Amino acid sequence: DADVTQTPRNRITKTGKRIMLECSQTKGHDRMYWYRQDPGLGLQLIYYSFDVKDINKGEISDGYSVSRQAQAKFSLSLESAIPNQTALYFCATSEDSPFGTQYFGPGTRLLVL
Amino acid sequence: QKEVEQNSGPLSVPEGAIASLNCTYSDRGSQSFFWYRQYSGKSPELIMSIYSNGDKEDGRFTAQLNKASQYVSLLIRDSQPSDSATYLCAVTGYSTLTFGKGTMLLVSP
Repeated sequence: DADVTQTPRNRITKTGKRIMLECSQTKGHDRMYWYRQDPGLGLQLIYYSFDVKDINKGEISDGYSVSRQAQAKFSLSLESAIPNQTALYFCATSEDSPFGTQYFGPGTRLLVL
Repeated sequence: QKEVEQNSGPLSVPEGAIASLNCTYSDRGSQSFFWYRQYSGKSPELIMSIYSNGDKEDGRFTAQLNKASQYVSLLIRDSQPSDSATYLCAVTGYSTLTFGKGTMLLVSP
């Protein structure tokens, strides 16, 4: 089984809808991250969490919110989806170290119509 | 604003050649450096990490770091068509990674 899983893998939604992307990990890491990737723009950090009680905004948090339900679960919500949130979304985890390698989930491809 | 710059490519090399991928970064306080490989539509996977000035070798891959010049590179020896992917440079200060936009590598048979 994969160490970092994301659900759903693909999602089509309409403008204005609220949707949630979920991430689960079995690596036992405290640190979790949400990124979005657009063609030609690389990976952009949306939110990150260093433990269940710690949530931090990344560089592009507007229009998104997160919930850290447990050490192993970190969810990303789009409160009111808009077309320019169409992107590939990745969850990642890392060890509790400044030098910790990040391990990525398989990604969720989101299309907002 | 931390910046990580990479040539977007594509960098085209013939099979068996050495591919050289380059990355510069703006934050002098950066302490650790990573190269990730990403196939189209897939998630990034770690190839190399490097923390000290100099070279680090792992199989066909060599990472090179020069903190004075704020420069990190990845050399791929004996390039194979399966190496065709986008290579992402990532740099960290204390707690989060900043990614470059990636360089696309194409290895032709």
